[in-house]
Amino acid sequence: RKEVEQDPGPFNVPEGATVAFNCTYSNSASQSFFWYRQDCRKEPKLLMSVYSSGNEDGRFTAQLNRASQYISLLIRDSKLSDSATYLCVVNLRHGSGNTGKLIFGQGTTLQVKP
Amino acid sequence: DGGITQSPKYLFRKEGQNVTLSCEQNLNHDAMYWYRQDPGQGLRLIYYSQIVNDFQKGDIAEGYSVSREKKESFPLTVTSAQKNPTAFYLCASSIAPTSTDTQYFGPGTRLTVL
Repeated sequence: RKEVEQDPGPFNVPEGATVAFNCTYSNSASQSFFWYRQDCRKEPKLLMSVYSSGNEDGRFTAQLNRASQYISLLIRDSKLSDSATYLCVVNLRHGSGNTGKLIFGQGTTLQVKP
Repeated sequence: DGGITQSPKYLFRKEGQNVTLSCEQNLNHDAMYWYRQDPGQGLRLIYYSQIVNDFQKGDIAEGYSVSREKKESFPLTVTSAQKNPTAFYLCASSIAPTSTDTQYFGPGTRLTVL
């Protein structure tokens, strides 16, 4: 089983649609959680961190359920510019101390159509 | 203008050659990382460094070497021992290597073996 699993893509949606991405992680030692956005042939860029209480940034809402080891990202009113690959990432404590290690999902591709 | 820079953007290598990828950051971050991304796959950790003059192997360190002589710089050498080096290489840094810190990425280097 992969340490971080995401919905298989691609998601093809019309402009204005609401789309949700899901992600599960296997290691309960995971400490922090993120969604990164990666445009074609570019580096990943942090979209938002994910907190247990849920957090929102404009049209984007992230949720974390530690009990179910589940993370979600909701995008409302999709724009053409939202087209990208969305990476679910967990930061796993490993070794002694508080050293972290990022584990990446393989990503889900979103294509927003006019 | 703070950030992470990588050079070159594109690199072509003949089989049997060693090549070195540059990564520099002026964010005053202690921790630096090297990842490899293959098409349709998540990022995989090659090496990381928590502090100057110290580094540890990641999940796929074979065929790679690094150094951390300065806080700002973390070059990666892809040696001839790396069997399948063609990939997108991403350098990242974080304030500290803890399990709650966000990692920020450079623009990446695309390495192609001819």
